[in-house]
Amino acid sequence: GAGVSQTPSNKVTEKGKYVELRCDPISGHTALYWYRQSLGQGPEFLIYFQGTGAADDSGLPNDRFFAVRPEGSVSTLKIQRTERGDSAVYLCASSLGTGSNEKLFFGSGTQLSVL
Amino acid sequence: ILNVEQSPQSLHVQEGDSTNFTCSFPSSNFYALHWYRWETAKSPEALFVMTLNGDEKKKGRISATLNTKEGYSYLYIKGSQPEDSATYLCASYQGGKLIFGQGTELSVKP
Repeated sequence: GAGVSQTPSNKVTEKGKYVELRCDPISGHTALYWYRQSLGQGPEFLIYFQGTGAADDSGLPNDRFFAVRPEGSVSTLKIQRTERGDSAVYLCASSLGTGSNEKLFFGSGTQLSVL
Repeated sequence: ILNVEQSPQSLHVQEGDSTNFTCSFPSSNFYALHWYRWETAKSPEALFVMTLNGDEKKKGRISATLNTKEGYSYLYIKGSQPEDSATYLCASYQGGKLIFGQGTELSVKP
């Protein structure tokens, strides 16, 4: 079946602009996670959803970052007033549930470059 | 969020060498430790999920061990091949989500 799909694969924007990154999880997966990976670092947790609700958004760096999952499937990560420090690979992952032994299935990521 | 540490950060080996790397994680309130492999231009893929102290998992030439009391896991690759070149990530389950280490980047030269 189809895996986790992320669009766009690459996004170049100018400082101060607004961007939206989309994630389409595996059908039937109730949990959806957003991570951010900067060069030389591991994936940094941002937010996760269980169904439609954000179960934990403690990793969002500031109020310029916001994510939604209105119908419990597709999720959008929104970044306002982008800054050069926001440049990173944004990874989305989904899993059947949020149990400790649930494997995450990752998308290919969106490479965001803020000029 | 409690840190997860991996060492070394990078490793260069020759084809046929065996290698291992380390993941250190918080030992208190332990639930699970995950290993993922991330090849260039691909998505990270799960290798192992480990939950019990003393657990050993194996997949082909790759194996992993777990010590939850002291908070470490080792990943071993026997007879490395060029196709093993990737970044290997470990992650500790904390509060409903996985917290990742910075990864070990393995390069295997033919």
